[in-house]
Amino acid sequence: GDKVKQSPSALSLQEGTNSALRCNFSIAATTVQWFLQNPRGSLINLFYLVPGTKENGRLKSAFDSKESYSTLHIRDAQLEDSGTYFCAAEGNYAQGLTFGLGTRVSVFP
Amino acid sequence: GGIITQTPKFLIGQEGQKLTLKCQQNFNHDTMYWYRQDSGKGLRLIYYSITENDLQKGDLSEGYDASREKKSSFSLTVTSAQKNEMAVFLCASSIGTGGSYEQYFGPGTRLTVL
Repeated sequence: GDKVKQSPSALSLQEGTNSALRCNFSIAATTVQWFLQNPRGSLINLFYLVPGTKENGRLKSAFDSKESYSTLHIRDAQLEDSGTYFCAAEGNYAQGLTFGLGTRVSVFP
Repeated sequence: GGIITQTPKFLIGQEGQKLTLKCQQNFNHDTMYWYRQDSGKGLRLIYYSITENDLQKGDLSEGYDASREKKSSFSLTVTSAQKNEMAVFLCASSIGTGGSYEQYFGPGTRLTVL
């Protein structure tokens, strides 16, 4: 968790509100992935990023390799957004992902 | 599309036992990975393989062996299970080698050692 630091560690959101998660990297990341781990433990791919931004429905993510951080924005949070969000970074070569410790998100009515 | 299958889904072992976990993918991906997840933590890399019969150590390789028997399958062996150990082992694959590519994960094998 030291090489990829996620914040906050936990987040409680009311349905319909917006929030942002962040990852800071102390490794030379060239690509970033964001995952949602559901209560069954499955990892769902949300974003795969080179430096830049991507948007998918109510989710938007950005990766700045120069400043070594990535963000994930949740807009209009829904109950099904609950789970643990992980960011993970990889360097230039296929050497495996380095994961953060995750942000546990709970969305309530 | 494709799928990653991990067997078994649940694995219960005894202290000192050698245990083998299997992973199959039909994406036709070149690179496969094994990660370990402890409760409430992120994933840590154990081994990866960029092609058949290739093996590369990750940060957590001590206490494990791995084997890439063919392009579609990658197995992991716990050489001597530790008492009270509990973890989830996740297999992943990505399309290429020599660069960074999106990884896709299997559903995991939950290990409990009595």
